[in-house]
Amino acid sequence: EAGVTQFPSHSVIEKGQTVTLRCDPISGHDNLYWYRRVMGKEIKFLLHFVKESKQDESGMPNNRFLAERTGGTYSTLKVQPAELEDSGVYFCASSQSGYHGYTFGSGTRLTVV
Amino acid sequence: EDQVTQSPEALRLQEGESSSLNCSYTVSGLRGLFWYRQDPGKGPEFLFTLYSAGEEKEKERLKATLTKKESFLHITAPKPEDSATYLCAVQARGNKLVFGAGTILRVKS
Repeated sequence: EAGVTQFPSHSVIEKGQTVTLRCDPISGHDNLYWYRRVMGKEIKFLLHFVKESKQDESGMPNNRFLAERTGGTYSTLKVQPAELEDSGVYFCASSQSGYHGYTFGSGTRLTVV
Repeated sequence: EDQVTQSPEALRLQEGESSSLNCSYTVSGLRGLFWYRQDPGKGPEFLFTLYSAGEEKEKERLKATLTKKESFLHITAPKPEDSATYLCAVQARGNKLVFGAGTILRVKS
């Protein structure tokens, strides 16, 4: 089966610009998660979708971040306007059941300059 | 607050030299403890889930164990291809994972 696909793999933008990251989960996986790793820190949870609904968005850092999941399929994470501290690697993951190991994508490396 | 601490931060082994990685955790109501492997430029790759103290799981040269306060990932006779970052994570409330910082393992031939 195809894995979790994320694009772009890399993005370099200027402070104040907008960037949209996309995640295509494994087909049939109702649960979709966003995580990120900023330089030198642990991977941290951002939010969790069940189908198209946000189940838990407690990790979203502020209102510059907007996540959507269209029709319970792919998801986008928009950062607007981007700040320097938003630089890091953004991972998407999906699972059928929430109580087992996820499958992660390869991540999007975001650099804000 | 749920917390995961991994040690050592980095570990260098000779091929065939067995060792263990540690994951200490504090969590309210552990639902599962996960081990992942991460290669450079890739996402975490699932290895094991452990659910209760005393549980053990094995896969090739890796064996994961769990107590009420920590988990160990034992690596027996490692090979250079075992070089990676090994991540530990706990699942408590909801479905989110809380990760440790990882252990960078280098195995030299």
